[in-house]
Amino acid sequence: LAKTTQPISMDSYEGQEVNITCSHNNIATNDYITWYQQFPSQGPRFIIQGYKTKVTNEVASLFIPADRKSSTLSLPRVSLSDTAVYYCLVGGLLSDYKLSFGAGTTVTVRA
Amino acid sequence: GAVVSQHPSWVICKSGTSVKIECRSLDFQATTMFWYRQFPKQSLMLMATSNEGSKATYEQGVEKDKFLINHASLTLSTLTVTSAHPEDSSFYICSAPPGGAKNIQYFGAGTRLSVL
Repeated sequence: LAKTTQPISMDSYEGQEVNITCSHNNIATNDYITWYQQFPSQGPRFIIQGYKTKVTNEVASLFIPADRKSSTLSLPRVSLSDTAVYYCLVGGLLSDYKLSFGAGTTVTVRA
Repeated sequence: GAVVSQHPSWVICKSGTSVKIECRSLDFQATTMFWYRQFPKQSLMLMATSNEGSKATYEQGVEKDKFLINHASLTLSTLTVTSAHPEDSSFYICSAPPGGAKNIQYFGAGTRLSVL
Protein backbone atom coordinates (compact mmCIF):
# COMPACT_ATOMS: atom_id res chain seq x y z
CA LEU A 1 0.00 0.00 0.00
CA ALA A 2 1.38 3.37 -0.98
CA LYS A 3 2.23 5.59 1.96
CA THR A 4 0.74 9.04 2.11
CA THR A 5 1.91 12.20 3.84
CA GLN A 6 -0.32 15.16 4.60
CA PRO A 7 -0.22 18.06 7.05
CA ILE A 8 -1.35 17.27 10.56
CA SER A 9 -3.59 20.29 10.88
CA MET A 10 -4.87 23.36 9.09
CA ASP A 11 -6.85 26.32 10.34
CA SER A 12 -9.19 28.37 8.25
CA TYR A 13 -12.09 30.81 8.46
CA GLU A 14 -15.57 30.55 7.13
CA GLY A 15 -15.86 31.39 3.47
CA GLN A 16 -12.24 30.67 2.66
CA GLU A 17 -10.90 27.99 0.37
CA VAL A 18 -8.95 25.20 2.00
CA ASN A 19 -6.36 23.23 0.06
CA ILE A 20 -4.86 20.09 1.53
CA THR A 21 -1.94 18.53 -0.29
CA CYS A 22 -1.10 14.87 0.06
CA SER A 23 2.15 13.26 -1.05
CA HIS A 24 2.14 9.71 -2.37
CA ASN A 25 5.49 9.17 -4.04
CA ASN A 26 5.09 5.40 -4.36
CA ILE A 27 1.69 5.37 -6.00
CA ALA A 28 1.19 2.40 -8.32
CA THR A 29 -0.17 2.54 -11.83
CA ASN A 30 -3.49 0.99 -10.84
CA ASP A 31 -3.98 3.05 -7.68
CA TYR A 32 -6.73 5.60 -7.29
CA ILE A 33 -6.52 8.57 -4.92
CA THR A 34 -9.43 8.83 -2.55
CA TRP A 35 -10.27 11.36 0.13
CA TYR A 36 -12.47 10.75 3.12
CA GLN A 37 -13.89 13.06 5.76
CA GLN A 38 -14.45 12.05 9.35
CA PHE A 39 -16.39 13.88 12.03
CA PRO A 40 -15.88 12.97 15.70
CA SER A 41 -17.54 9.70 16.70
CA GLN A 42 -18.58 8.90 13.14
CA GLY A 43 -17.28 6.64 10.42
CA PRO A 44 -15.37 8.22 7.53
CA ARG A 45 -17.36 9.51 4.60
CA PHE A 46 -16.25 9.37 0.97
CA ILE A 47 -15.61 12.83 -0.48
CA ILE A 48 -13.94 12.44 -3.84
CA GLN A 49 -11.79 10.13 -5.90
CA GLY A 50 -9.54 10.63 -8.89
CA TYR A 51 -6.91 8.99 -11.02
CA LYS A 52 -5.34 11.93 -12.84
CA THR A 53 -5.93 15.59 -13.75
CA LYS A 54 -8.88 17.24 -12.06
CA VAL A 55 -12.07 15.93 -10.60
CA THR A 56 -14.87 18.08 -9.23
CA ASN A 57 -18.09 17.24 -7.47
CA GLU A 58 -20.58 19.16 -5.38
CA VAL A 59 -18.38 18.97 -2.32
CA ALA A 60 -14.78 19.40 -3.44
CA SER A 61 -12.22 19.39 -6.20
CA LEU A 62 -9.25 17.11 -6.52
CA PHE A 63 -6.18 18.17 -8.43
CA ILE A 64 -3.69 15.53 -9.51
CA PRO A 65 -0.51 16.43 -11.43
CA ALA A 66 0.74 14.34 -14.30
CA ASP A 67 3.26 12.40 -12.21
CA ARG A 68 0.53 11.53 -9.69
CA LYS A 69 2.99 11.74 -6.82
CA SER A 70 0.79 14.17 -4.99
CA SER A 71 -2.76 15.41 -4.95
CA THR A 72 -4.58 18.43 -3.57
CA LEU A 73 -8.04 18.41 -2.10
CA SER A 74 -9.72 21.77 -2.45
CA LEU A 75 -12.70 22.70 -0.28
CA PRO A 76 -14.34 25.87 -1.59
CA ARG A 77 -15.86 28.40 0.79
CA VAL A 78 -15.68 26.30 3.94
CA SER A 79 -18.18 26.60 6.74
CA LEU A 80 -18.00 25.63 10.40
CA SER A 81 -19.51 22.27 9.54
CA ASP A 82 -16.46 21.41 7.44
CA THR A 83 -14.39 21.09 10.60
CA ALA A 84 -13.27 17.47 10.46
CA VAL A 85 -10.35 15.16 9.81
CA TYR A 86 -9.56 14.60 6.15
CA TYR A 87 -7.77 11.46 5.02
CA CYS A 88 -5.95 10.91 1.77
CA LEU A 89 -5.68 7.27 0.75
CA VAL A 90 -4.15 5.51 -2.20
CA GLY A 91 -5.06 2.07 -3.39
CA GLY A 92 -7.15 0.01 -5.69
CA LEU A 93 -8.10 -3.37 -6.94
CA LEU A 94 -4.62 -4.78 -6.75
CA SER A 95 -4.33 -3.94 -3.06
CA ASP A 96 -7.35 -6.13 -2.30
CA TYR A 97 -9.27 -3.02 -1.33
CA LYS A 98 -7.28 -2.61 1.86
CA LEU A 99 -7.09 0.91 3.16
CA SER A 100 -4.16 2.18 5.18
CA PHE A 101 -5.11 5.34 7.03
CA GLY A 102 -2.45 7.87 7.84
CA ALA A 103 -2.85 10.48 10.53
CA GLY A 104 -5.06 12.65 8.38
CA THR A 105 -5.37 16.43 8.40
CA THR A 106 -7.48 18.05 11.07
CA VAL A 107 -9.13 21.06 9.49
CA THR A 108 -10.55 23.59 11.92
CA VAL A 109 -12.83 26.25 10.53
CA ARG A 110 -13.43 29.30 12.68
CA ALA A 111 -16.11 31.94 12.46
CA GLY B 1 -24.48 6.33 -2.44
CA ALA B 2 -24.16 2.91 -0.90
CA VAL B 3 -25.12 2.47 2.72
CA VAL B 4 -23.41 0.48 5.43
CA SER B 5 -25.26 0.05 8.67
CA GLN B 6 -23.48 -0.71 11.92
CA HIS B 7 -25.14 -1.76 15.14
CA PRO B 8 -25.08 -1.00 17.99
CA SER B 9 -23.78 2.55 17.93
CA TRP B 10 -22.83 2.43 21.58
CA VAL B 11 -22.41 -0.37 24.06
CA ILE B 12 -21.31 -0.60 27.67
CA CYS B 13 -20.38 -3.95 29.11
CA LYS B 14 -18.77 -5.47 32.14
CA SER B 15 -15.26 -6.79 32.01
CA GLY B 16 -15.18 -10.43 30.98
CA THR B 17 -18.30 -10.36 28.86
CA SER B 18 -18.50 -10.62 25.08
CA VAL B 19 -19.92 -8.04 22.75
CA LYS B 20 -21.12 -8.53 19.18
CA ILE B 21 -21.09 -5.74 16.61
CA GLU B 22 -22.93 -6.08 13.32
CA CYS B 23 -22.05 -4.53 9.99
CA ARG B 24 -24.54 -4.69 7.13
CA SER B 25 -24.34 -3.53 3.56
CA LEU B 26 -27.88 -2.38 2.86
CA ASP B 27 -27.99 -1.93 -0.88
CA PHE B 28 -25.07 -3.90 -2.25
CA GLN B 29 -23.38 -7.20 -1.71
CA ALA B 30 -19.99 -7.25 -0.08
CA THR B 31 -17.83 -10.32 -0.31
CA THR B 32 -15.25 -8.41 1.68
CA MET B 33 -15.66 -6.12 4.65
CA PHE B 34 -13.10 -4.53 6.88
CA TRP B 35 -12.96 -3.86 10.60
CA TYR B 36 -11.05 -1.00 12.17
CA ARG B 37 -10.54 0.34 15.64
CA GLN B 38 -9.86 3.93 16.49
CA PHE B 39 -8.61 5.33 19.77
CA PRO B 40 -9.30 8.95 20.72
CA LYS B 41 -7.48 11.47 18.53
CA GLN B 42 -5.85 8.70 16.54
CA SER B 43 -6.35 7.39 13.05
CA LEU B 44 -8.19 4.27 12.04
CA MET B 45 -6.22 1.08 12.43
CA LEU B 46 -7.17 -1.87 10.24
CA MET B 47 -7.84 -4.93 12.37
CA ALA B 48 -8.97 -7.55 9.92
CA THR B 49 -10.47 -8.39 6.57
CA SER B 50 -13.76 -10.21 6.73
CA ASN B 51 -14.28 -12.64 3.85
CA GLU B 52 -17.68 -14.05 3.00
CA GLY B 53 -17.70 -17.80 3.35
CA SER B 54 -14.14 -18.10 4.58
CA LYS B 55 -11.93 -17.19 7.48
CA ALA B 56 -11.08 -13.62 8.24
CA THR B 57 -7.54 -12.44 7.79
CA TYR B 58 -6.10 -10.48 10.67
CA GLU B 59 -3.51 -7.76 10.68
CA GLN B 60 -0.31 -8.30 12.57
CA GLY B 61 -0.74 -7.91 16.30
CA VAL B 62 -4.51 -8.43 16.31
CA GLU B 63 -5.62 -11.44 18.37
CA LYS B 64 -7.93 -13.54 16.25
CA ASP B 65 -9.25 -15.43 19.27
CA LYS B 66 -10.22 -12.23 20.96
CA PHE B 67 -11.78 -10.53 17.98
CA LEU B 68 -13.95 -13.13 16.30
CA ILE B 69 -15.19 -12.25 12.84
CA ASN B 70 -17.96 -14.02 10.99
CA HIS B 71 -19.10 -13.15 7.48
CA ALA B 72 -21.98 -15.53 6.98
CA SER B 73 -23.73 -13.74 4.14
CA LEU B 74 -22.98 -11.26 1.39
CA THR B 75 -24.49 -8.44 3.42
CA LEU B 76 -23.49 -9.14 7.01
CA SER B 77 -20.24 -9.32 8.95
CA THR B 78 -20.04 -9.51 12.71
CA LEU B 79 -17.21 -8.69 15.08
CA THR B 80 -17.34 -10.26 18.52
CA VAL B 81 -15.06 -8.91 21.18
CA THR B 82 -14.65 -11.86 23.53
CA SER B 83 -13.89 -11.54 27.21
CA ALA B 84 -13.71 -7.79 26.89
CA HIS B 85 -11.43 -5.80 29.16
CA PRO B 86 -11.15 -2.06 29.73
CA GLU B 87 -8.25 -1.82 27.29
CA ASP B 88 -10.62 -3.01 24.54
CA SER B 89 -12.65 0.14 24.97
CA SER B 90 -12.45 1.90 21.65
CA PHE B 91 -14.39 3.02 18.59
CA TYR B 92 -14.92 0.14 16.18
CA ILE B 93 -15.75 0.87 12.55
CA CYS B 94 -16.54 -1.37 9.61
CA SER B 95 -16.32 -0.67 5.91
CA ALA B 96 -17.32 -2.40 2.71
CA PRO B 97 -16.27 -1.85 -0.91
CA PRO B 98 -19.01 -2.27 -3.50
CA GLY B 99 -16.34 -3.62 -5.81
CA GLY B 100 -14.85 -2.61 -9.12
CA ALA B 101 -11.45 -1.22 -9.96
CA LYS B 102 -11.95 1.90 -7.90
CA ASN B 103 -11.48 1.48 -4.19
CA ILE B 104 -14.35 3.54 -2.88
CA GLN B 105 -15.47 2.20 0.46
CA TYR B 106 -18.48 2.92 2.55
CA PHE B 107 -18.20 3.02 6.28
CA GLY B 108 -20.53 2.25 9.11
CA ALA B 109 -21.25 4.93 11.67
CA GLY B 110 -19.07 3.15 14.21
CA THR B 111 -19.61 1.48 17.57
CA ARG B 112 -18.38 3.02 20.77
CA LEU B 113 -17.44 0.21 23.16
CA SER B 114 -16.90 0.99 26.81
CA VAL B 115 -15.78 -1.87 29.03
CA LEU B 116 -16.19 -1.28 32.74
